[in-house]
Amino acid sequence: QITLKESGPTLVKPTQTLTLTCTFSGFSLSTSGVGVGWIRQPPGKALEWLALIYWNDDKRYSPSLKSRLTITKDTSKNQVVLTMTNMDPVDTATYYCAHSAAGTGWFDPWGQGTLVTVSS
Amino acid sequence: EIVLTQSPGTLSLSPGERATLSCRASQSVSSSYLAWYQQKPGQAPRLLIYGASSRATGIPDRFSGSGSGTDFTLTISRLEPEDFAVYYCQQYGSSRYTFGQGTKLEIK
Repeated sequence: QITLKESGPTLVKPTQTLTLTCTFSGFSLSTSGVGVGWIRQPPGKALEWLALIYWNDDKRYSPSLKSRLTITKDTSKNQVVLTMTNMDPVDTATYYCAHSAAGTGWFDPWGQGTLVTVSS
Repeated sequence: EIVLTQSPGTLSLSPGERATLSCRASQSVSSSYLAWYQQKPGQAPRLLIYGASSRATGIPDRFSGSGSGTDFTLTISRLEPEDFAVYYCQQYGSSRYTFGQGTKLEIK
Protein backbone atom coordinates (compact mmCIF):
# COMPACT_ATOMS: atom_id res chain seq x y z
CA GLN A 1 0.00 0.00 0.00
CA ILE A 2 1.36 3.36 -1.06
CA THR A 3 1.03 6.25 1.37
CA LEU A 4 2.42 9.78 1.31
CA LYS A 5 2.42 12.51 3.93
CA GLU A 6 3.39 16.15 3.66
CA SER A 7 5.11 18.09 6.43
CA GLY A 8 6.41 21.59 6.90
CA PRO A 9 5.54 24.97 8.36
CA THR A 10 1.92 26.05 8.56
CA LEU A 11 2.81 29.74 8.52
CA VAL A 12 5.49 31.58 6.60
CA LYS A 13 6.15 35.27 6.18
CA PRO A 14 6.18 37.05 2.83
CA THR A 15 9.57 36.84 1.05
CA GLN A 16 10.58 33.77 3.07
CA THR A 17 11.44 30.40 1.55
CA LEU A 18 9.04 27.49 2.06
CA THR A 19 10.44 24.00 2.51
CA LEU A 20 8.02 21.07 2.39
CA THR A 21 8.84 17.40 2.84
CA CYS A 22 6.91 14.47 1.43
CA THR A 23 7.57 11.23 3.29
CA PHE A 24 6.28 8.13 1.58
CA SER A 25 6.05 4.38 1.98
CA GLY A 26 5.04 1.45 -0.17
CA PHE A 27 7.41 2.26 -3.02
CA SER A 28 10.99 3.33 -3.62
CA LEU A 29 12.23 6.28 -5.61
CA SER A 30 15.14 4.16 -6.70
CA THR A 31 12.76 1.92 -8.68
CA SER A 32 12.64 2.57 -12.39
CA GLY A 33 9.54 4.43 -13.51
CA VAL A 34 8.57 5.96 -10.19
CA GLY A 35 7.90 9.65 -9.64
CA VAL A 36 6.60 12.00 -6.94
CA GLY A 37 4.89 15.27 -7.73
CA TRP A 38 3.68 18.34 -5.86
CA ILE A 39 0.33 19.98 -6.47
CA ARG A 40 -1.24 22.88 -4.58
CA GLN A 41 -4.76 24.21 -4.07
CA PRO A 42 -5.57 27.71 -2.78
CA PRO A 43 -8.62 27.78 -0.50
CA GLY A 44 -11.77 27.29 -2.57
CA LYS A 45 -9.84 27.17 -5.83
CA ALA A 46 -8.60 24.64 -8.36
CA LEU A 47 -5.59 22.36 -8.33
CA GLU A 48 -2.25 23.57 -9.72
CA TRP A 49 0.67 21.30 -10.57
CA LEU A 50 4.04 22.53 -9.29
CA ALA A 51 6.82 20.02 -9.84
CA LEU A 52 7.69 16.36 -10.25
CA ILE A 53 10.84 14.28 -9.76
CA TYR A 54 11.52 10.84 -11.22
CA TRP A 55 13.57 7.90 -9.97
CA ASN A 56 16.43 8.89 -12.28
CA ASP A 57 16.52 12.44 -10.82
CA ASP A 58 14.83 13.87 -13.90
CA LYS A 59 12.88 16.94 -12.76
CA ARG A 60 9.93 18.84 -14.21
CA TYR A 61 8.60 22.23 -13.13
CA SER A 62 5.57 24.34 -13.81
CA PRO A 63 6.76 26.98 -16.30
CA SER A 64 5.05 29.79 -14.39
CA LEU A 65 6.80 28.94 -11.10
CA LYS A 66 10.01 27.35 -12.32
CA SER A 67 12.25 30.20 -11.16
CA ARG A 68 11.04 29.78 -7.57
CA LEU A 69 10.91 26.00 -7.23
CA THR A 70 13.44 23.30 -6.45
CA ILE A 71 12.55 19.63 -6.03
CA THR A 72 14.97 17.07 -4.64
CA LYS A 73 14.83 13.51 -3.37
CA ASP A 74 16.48 11.53 -0.62
CA THR A 75 16.05 7.93 -1.62
CA SER A 76 17.49 6.54 1.61
CA LYS A 77 14.90 8.43 3.65
CA ASN A 78 11.99 7.90 1.24
CA GLN A 79 11.50 11.64 1.04
CA VAL A 80 10.99 14.32 -1.57
CA VAL A 81 11.58 17.95 -0.70
CA LEU A 82 10.08 20.98 -2.40
CA THR A 83 11.41 24.48 -1.82
CA MET A 84 9.63 27.61 -2.98
CA THR A 85 11.35 30.95 -2.67
CA ASN A 86 9.99 34.45 -2.20
CA MET A 87 6.65 33.40 -0.74
CA ASP A 88 3.68 35.72 -1.17
CA PRO A 89 0.17 35.72 0.33
CA VAL A 90 -1.17 34.40 -3.00
CA ASP A 91 0.86 31.24 -2.34
CA THR A 92 -1.43 30.41 0.57
CA ALA A 93 -2.72 26.94 -0.27
CA THR A 94 -2.93 23.30 0.67
CA TYR A 95 0.14 21.59 -0.74
CA TYR A 96 -0.15 17.95 -1.78
CA CYS A 97 2.42 15.40 -2.82
CA ALA A 98 1.39 12.45 -4.94
CA HIS A 99 2.81 9.31 -6.53
CA SER A 100 3.12 9.09 -10.29
CA ALA A 101 4.53 6.44 -12.55
CA ALA A 102 6.64 7.49 -15.49
CA GLY A 103 4.70 7.46 -18.70
CA THR A 104 1.31 7.47 -17.02
CA GLY A 105 0.58 11.18 -16.64
CA TRP A 106 -1.63 10.92 -13.59
CA PHE A 107 -1.26 11.07 -9.81
CA ASP A 108 -2.30 8.23 -7.55
CA PRO A 109 -2.45 8.20 -4.62
CA TRP A 110 -2.17 11.60 -2.98
CA GLY A 111 -1.05 12.63 0.47
CA GLN A 112 -3.50 14.27 2.83
CA GLY A 113 -2.11 17.73 2.13
CA THR A 114 -0.74 20.46 4.35
CA LEU A 115 -2.12 23.98 4.57
CA VAL A 116 0.48 26.71 4.30
CA THR A 117 -0.53 30.29 5.10
CA VAL A 118 1.62 33.21 3.98
CA SER A 119 1.13 36.19 6.23
CA SER A 120 3.18 38.72 8.11
CA GLU B 1 0.28 25.42 -22.35
CA ILE B 2 -2.88 23.37 -22.74
CA VAL B 3 -5.87 24.88 -20.93
CA LEU B 4 -8.66 22.60 -19.72
CA THR B 5 -12.13 24.12 -19.40
CA GLN B 6 -14.72 22.19 -17.44
CA SER B 7 -18.45 22.67 -17.72
CA PRO B 8 -20.76 23.26 -16.11
CA GLY B 9 -19.19 25.00 -13.15
CA THR B 10 -21.93 23.65 -10.90
CA LEU B 11 -24.31 20.78 -11.62
CA SER B 12 -27.39 20.31 -9.43
CA LEU B 13 -28.91 16.84 -9.60
CA SER B 14 -30.75 14.36 -7.42
CA PRO B 15 -29.60 10.92 -6.29
CA GLY B 16 -30.43 8.35 -8.93
CA GLU B 17 -30.01 10.79 -11.80
CA ARG B 18 -27.33 10.68 -14.48
CA ALA B 19 -24.49 13.20 -14.39
CA THR B 20 -22.51 14.29 -17.43
CA LEU B 21 -19.41 16.44 -16.86
CA SER B 22 -17.42 17.97 -19.69
CA CYS B 23 -13.73 18.78 -20.06
CA ARG B 24 -12.60 20.66 -23.15
CA ALA B 25 -8.93 21.19 -24.03
CA SER B 26 -7.48 24.18 -25.86
CA GLN B 27 -5.37 21.77 -27.98
CA SER B 28 -5.59 18.10 -28.73
CA VAL B 29 -4.73 15.88 -25.76
CA SER B 30 -3.53 12.33 -25.96
CA SER B 31 -6.28 10.13 -24.54
CA SER B 32 -3.60 8.18 -22.73
CA TYR B 33 -2.89 11.22 -20.60
CA LEU B 34 -6.34 12.43 -19.59
CA ALA B 35 -7.48 11.74 -16.03
CA TRP B 36 -10.41 12.57 -13.77
CA TYR B 37 -10.35 13.07 -10.00
CA GLN B 38 -12.99 13.36 -7.30
CA GLN B 39 -12.46 15.66 -4.32
CA LYS B 40 -14.68 15.82 -1.26
CA PRO B 41 -14.48 18.67 1.27
CA GLY B 42 -11.39 18.47 3.43
CA GLN B 43 -9.99 15.53 1.48
CA ALA B 44 -7.27 15.02 -1.08
CA PRO B 45 -8.27 14.31 -4.68
CA ARG B 46 -8.86 10.68 -5.59
CA LEU B 47 -8.09 9.25 -9.02
CA LEU B 48 -11.26 8.03 -10.74
CA ILE B 49 -10.41 7.64 -14.41
CA TYR B 50 -7.09 7.45 -16.27
CA GLY B 51 -6.32 7.12 -19.93
CA ALA B 52 -9.63 8.90 -20.57
CA SER B 53 -11.73 5.78 -20.01
CA SER B 54 -10.08 3.33 -17.59
CA ARG B 55 -11.42 3.17 -14.06
CA ALA B 56 -8.88 3.31 -11.25
CA THR B 57 -8.73 0.52 -8.71
CA GLY B 58 -11.83 0.31 -6.56
CA ILE B 59 -13.89 2.82 -8.55
CA PRO B 60 -17.51 1.71 -9.04
CA ASP B 61 -18.64 0.98 -12.57
CA ARG B 62 -21.25 3.75 -12.44
CA PHE B 63 -18.30 6.04 -13.23
CA SER B 64 -17.21 6.07 -16.86
CA GLY B 65 -15.00 8.27 -19.01
CA SER B 66 -14.99 8.89 -22.72
CA GLY B 67 -13.74 11.25 -25.36
CA SER B 68 -10.73 12.06 -27.48
CA GLY B 69 -8.86 14.95 -28.98
CA THR B 70 -10.18 18.06 -27.26
CA ASP B 71 -13.47 16.83 -25.77
CA PHE B 72 -13.73 14.49 -22.84
CA THR B 73 -16.64 13.44 -20.64
CA LEU B 74 -17.08 11.93 -17.21
CA THR B 75 -20.41 10.20 -16.73
CA ILE B 76 -21.92 8.97 -13.49
CA SER B 77 -24.77 6.70 -14.47
CA ARG B 78 -26.84 6.78 -11.28
CA LEU B 79 -25.82 9.23 -8.60
CA GLU B 80 -25.28 7.95 -5.10
CA PRO B 81 -25.26 10.33 -2.11
CA GLU B 82 -21.49 9.91 -1.78
CA ASP B 83 -20.89 11.10 -5.36
CA PHE B 84 -21.67 14.74 -4.59
CA ALA B 85 -18.24 16.37 -4.72
CA VAL B 86 -15.96 18.42 -6.96
CA TYR B 87 -14.54 16.76 -10.06
CA TYR B 88 -11.35 17.77 -11.88
CA CYS B 89 -9.94 16.71 -15.20
CA GLN B 90 -6.18 16.73 -15.73
CA GLN B 91 -3.89 16.27 -18.71
CA TYR B 92 -0.22 15.55 -19.21
CA GLY B 93 1.72 16.67 -22.23
CA SER B 94 5.11 18.16 -23.12
CA SER B 95 6.33 17.37 -19.60
CA ARG B 96 3.60 19.57 -18.10
CA TYR B 97 0.49 18.80 -16.14
CA THR B 98 -2.61 20.98 -16.11
CA PHE B 99 -5.92 20.73 -14.29
CA GLY B 100 -9.34 22.04 -15.17
CA GLN B 101 -11.06 24.47 -12.85
CA GLY B 102 -13.44 21.82 -11.54
CA THR B 103 -17.15 21.01 -11.65
CA LYS B 104 -19.07 21.01 -8.40
CA LEU B 105 -21.74 18.33 -8.31
CA GLU B 106 -24.33 19.31 -5.72
CA ILE B 107 -27.54 17.79 -4.46
CA LYS B 108 -30.66 19.35 -5.91
